[in-house]
Amino acid sequence: AQSVTQLDSQVPVFEEAPVELRCNYSSSVSVYLFWYVQYPNQGLQLLLKYLSGSTLVKGINGFEAEFNKSQTSFHLRKPSVHISDTAEYFCAVRYFTNFGNEKLTFGTGTRLTIIP
Amino acid sequence: EAGVTQFPSHSVIEKGQTVTLRCDPISGHDNLYWYRRVMGKEIKFLLHFVKESKQDESGMPNNRFLAERTGGTYSTLKVQPAELEDSGVYFCASSQDCAGFATLQDQPQHFGDGTRLSIL
Repeated sequence: AQSVTQLDSQVPVFEEAPVELRCNYSSSVSVYLFWYVQYPNQGLQLLLKYLSGSTLVKGINGFEAEFNKSQTSFHLRKPSVHISDTAEYFCAVRYFTNFGNEKLTFGTGTRLTIIP
Repeated sequence: EAGVTQFPSHSVIEKGQTVTLRCDPISGHDNLYWYRRVMGKEIKFLLHFVKESKQDESGMPNNRFLAERTGGTYSTLKVQPAELEDSGVYFCASSQDCAGFATLQDQPQHFGDGTRLSIL
């Protein structure tokens, strides 16, 4: 069975400071990893994804994440945050049960608050 | 291109009543998924349609929940009768279908804004 752990439920960060949101996963098969963001009063928006290839993936709004297979982690980073980054961030693993069956397993989310 | 749309955005009903949520996927997307987030917990998979067929409904909590996708376009999720523990945000997502398994992974799921369901 697959599971996703987001260790920090809330992360306050000062504006223009760097941030790292942690995500660890457990899976016995190849994984495809995603970060989604939910801005206030909006739906889930895809931030970035790792399918294969380079372990450092870049997403929208200056975010990037690094896939670390040995540590089973997929931490999200941004070197300098802005007020507009205030949102809830979800890490997810895409799980294929068999041909045609697939679903996302999500972490519990990390609420990022930017302090002016 | 219009995104995934969900209706209503918020529904407040009393325990024992019936509620129907609707999801319109992105045009041309054969895959449609329902997820639910109970307050403070993770977003959990409910079921997956491919066109009008239920591909995987392993996440449906019980038989009070009925999902349909007649004609393979929009989908409805009906809760009857609603219980207090059904409160939460219900998300719908859609993705393109692919010719083969090897390329299915490249199609991300696009989410709607969700329906916030409150059972009193």
